[in-house]
Amino acid sequence: AQSVTQPDIHITVSEGASLELRCNYSYGATPYLFWYVQSPGQGLQLLLKYFSGDTLVQGIKGFEAEFKRSQSSFNLRKPSVHWSDAAEYFCAVGASRAAGNKLTFGGGTRVLVKP
Amino acid sequence: DAGVIQSPRHEVTEMGQEVTLRCKPISGHNSLFWYRQTMMRGLELLIYFNNNVPIDDSGMPEDRFSAKMPNASFSTLKIQPSEPRDSAVYFCASRGSQGALGNQPQHFGDGTRLSIL
Repeated sequence: AQSVTQPDIHITVSEGASLELRCNYSYGATPYLFWYVQSPGQGLQLLLKYFSGDTLVQGIKGFEAEFKRSQSSFNLRKPSVHWSDAAEYFCAVGASRAAGNKLTFGGGTRVLVKP
Repeated sequence: DAGVIQSPRHEVTEMGQEVTLRCKPISGHNSLFWYRQTMMRGLELLIYFNNNVPIDDSGMPEDRFSAKMPNASFSTLKIQPSEPRDSAVYFCASRGSQGALGNQPQHFGDGTRLSIL
């Protein structure tokens, strides 16, 4: 069964500083990987996704993520954080269609942005 | 484009009452998912449908929970009778046809915040 670990429950970063959120996954085949962001009182919004090809993927709002198969990681990065990036971020791994196409989410990382 | 629409946004009711949560998926999407989010357990998949048919309901906590999808544009999640431990945010998500690669993302509604007193 697939699983996702986000080791950091909370991260505090100053506005303008860089941000990196860690994600490690466990899955027996080629994973489909996603990062979602959840603002307070809102649903989850897709930031970016990886299926194959270039291991560095670009997403919305200036985010990018790098897939590293050898480390089973899919870390999310942003070079310069804005106050509006304060939210909770979820990494997810998707199973193949044969395995039911379900998403498994990590526990989330809450990002606080200091002025 | 309209996203996934959930109603109500908030519901407060007394334990023992029946609760019905509603979801309208994105038009043209053929998969629909119900999730529950709590502080203790995070985001849990309850059930999902493909082409209106329930595929996997292994996440449904117990018989008090039921979900239906009578047509491609509407789904309900019902709790009867409700209990305080059912208090959570319930999300509905939909996804387009998977095609050969099976890699379409899920699109989430804004959720229903349910409080059972």
